[in-house]
Amino acid sequence: GENVEQHPSTLSVQEGDSAVIKCTYSDSASNYFPWYKQELGKGPQLIIDIRSNVGEKKDQRIAVTLNKTAKHFSLHITETQPEDSAVYFCAASVSGDSWGKLQFGAGTQVVVTP
Amino acid sequence: DGGITQSPKYLFRKEGQNVTLSCEQNLNHDAMYWYRQDPGQGLRLIYYSQIVNDFQKGDIAEGYSVSREKKESFPLTVTSAQKNPTAFYLCASSNQVGYEQYFGPGTRLTVT
Repeated sequence: GENVEQHPSTLSVQEGDSAVIKCTYSDSASNYFPWYKQELGKGPQLIIDIRSNVGEKKDQRIAVTLNKTAKHFSLHITETQPEDSAVYFCAASVSGDSWGKLQFGAGTQVVVTP
Repeated sequence: DGGITQSPKYLFRKEGQNVTLSCEQNLNHDAMYWYRQDPGQGLRLIYYSQIVNDFQKGDIAEGYSVSREKKESFPLTVTSAQKNPTAFYLCASSNQVGYEQYFGPGTRLTVT
């Protein structure tokens, strides 16, 4: 089955700097890659996603890139702010599954210090 | 307001008791999911359902049961057979056509 690895597990950045989180996946047929932000004690919130027919997608300070050949995708947060502090999860869809089942990475704890 | 509700937010049970977690959505989504989250770990799929009266086991279904009698409701029962039930439980839903999954606020279950 699909296996998703996420790095780093923790990331500390100064306010205003950029943060990058990387994920790799094993199933070359996976075609949907969402990113979630989870604040303490809350459910994950979908912040951006990308499908395999595009290489990059951007939404204000957040961008995601996808390299299908290398089977990895990354989340980029620019001009970080204290409210960006949270745990971020990447995920990949299980191939050939019309239900859109997702396999999640282990998460990255991002801490933005003022 | 559209969304997914889970109740209660915190739940405490004694070992050996079954407990049912509620999940309701008014997004008119066809698919619903239950995940388990342990500290410092990602989300693991317990059960999922595409349509009413149908559901499938996920990666860690042992010790859990579900029902899908209504489109908007997908309750999860944690049975006494689940060896380590203490965890944060998350319900999600998605439109069958797309893949975007939206999560509820979660229920933190503590079994002592």
